Amino acid sequence: AQSVTQLDSQVPVFEEAPVELRCNYSSSVSVYLFWYVQYPNQGLQLLLKYLSGSTLVKGINGFEAEFNKSQTSFHLRKPSVHISDTAEYFCAVIFYNQGGKLIFGQGTELSVKP
Amino acid sequence: DGGITQSPKYLFRKEGQNVTLSCEQNLNHDAMYWYRQDPGQGLRLIYYSQIVNDFQKGDIAEGYSVSREKKESFPLTVTSAQKNPTAFYLCASSYRGTGNEQFFGPGTRLTVL
Repeated sequence: AQSVTQLDSQVPVFEEAPVELRCNYSSSVSVYLFWYVQYPNQGLQLLLKYLSGSTLVKGINGFEAEFNKSQTSFHLRKPSVHISDTAEYFCAVIFYNQGGKLIFGQGTELSVKP
Repeated sequence: DGGITQSPKYLFRKEGQNVTLSCEQNLNHDAMYWYRQDPGQGLRLIYYSQIVNDFQKGDIAEGYSVSREKKESFPLTVTSAQKNPTAFYLCASSYRGTGNEQFFGPGTRLTVL
């Protein structure tokens, strides 16, 4: 079965440091890729998405992600994090042969410390 | 103000009781979805609907039921057959078609006592 793996369940980082949250998916079929953020006890908010075109995608709140087809990865990066970035981040993938269903990774809890 | 509303925010249920979670959207989206979220497991799809009066099972539909009588509404019933219903439930909606962003509601936390 096709799957999405977020390699780190928790990422602690100091304020103003750079961060990378890793995401890999299992299939070589064409994909659409998404990153969502979830603050405690809230729904999910879209950070950015890749559908086609440039492999470097910029999103809200200073986040960006790069699609690497050969490595089947879509890692999320931010050059300088703030305390307010503390949240859970989900990578999600639509595989072309899965009828449009969104498959989520397990989530990465980003904790930004002063 | 367009968006998705879910009610109630917190819900407590005794074992053996059915309970219905509400989801309403005013985004004019055709497609609606229900997900279950458990710690460390991400989101798992329960049911989805691409159009009124039609819906499909997701990956974990057992013990749940839905209806889609109106475009704006997609209620989820958690039945007594669901073995472990305590979880955070999220509703989402999108335009039809692959690749469209799903917009999420604020969620309902269900606790079975």
